[in-house]
Amino acid sequence: ETGVTQSPTHLIKTRGQQVTLRCSSQSGHNTVSWYQQALGQGPQFIFQYYREEENGRGNFPPRFSGLQFPNYSSELNVNALELDDSALYLCASRLQGIPEAFFGQGTRLTVV
Amino acid sequence: QQQVKQSPQSLIVQKGGISIINCAYENTAFDYFPWYQQFPGKGPALLIAIRPDVSEKKEGRFTISFNKSAKQFSLHIMDSQPGDSATYFCAASMSNAGGTSYGKLTFGQGTILTVHP
Repeated sequence: ETGVTQSPTHLIKTRGQQVTLRCSSQSGHNTVSWYQQALGQGPQFIFQYYREEENGRGNFPPRFSGLQFPNYSSELNVNALELDDSALYLCASRLQGIPEAFFGQGTRLTVV
Repeated sequence: QQQVKQSPQSLIVQKGGISIINCAYENTAFDYFPWYQQFPGKGPALLIAIRPDVSEKKEGRFTISFNKSAKQFSLHIMDSQPGDSATYFCAASMSNAGGTSYGKLTFGQGTILTVHP
């Protein structure tokens, strides 16, 4: 176990709706990243947070947004869901300055 | 320049055999190269990682070989077992100028490994 937990495990939403996914980082880890993994593909970087501020973003539209809280837990919010948003969403936590990143089990989002 | 290319896409090995997965990168600023193992329905698990200042790292049955001049690195799984059957991803990331922070992981496309008993 990595100590990184995500909720919910599975989620089904309708196109156009909004969704919030949650991540609890490994104890002491102050950096969290979110990734989208489509079926049969490698994870794609969405964004990264350090000390509650976004400090890196991948090629995702603004309707993908995030938050990191003082206890280092975080959220991924997606507005105006599209069918192509169906994927496994992964969060990864690590210590700033240390490259080893540990992933949660992911949230499987299905948009219908 | 941010891509990491992984091959083969799938690999079938007999129990006890050696599994070899290869990755190539373009960006010479990458300075951290991990391998992740992912089982169906699970998140990727960090398996082993290497920095470019060494050419090989071994942990149990898993070895990374790194060729800086060729910009390639590979994962070798010795004495492959059916329990090793999973999808393997190589990845790369880079630190900032001071080495005080790391950015995103750039992943390869994945290799589905099947080890037959």
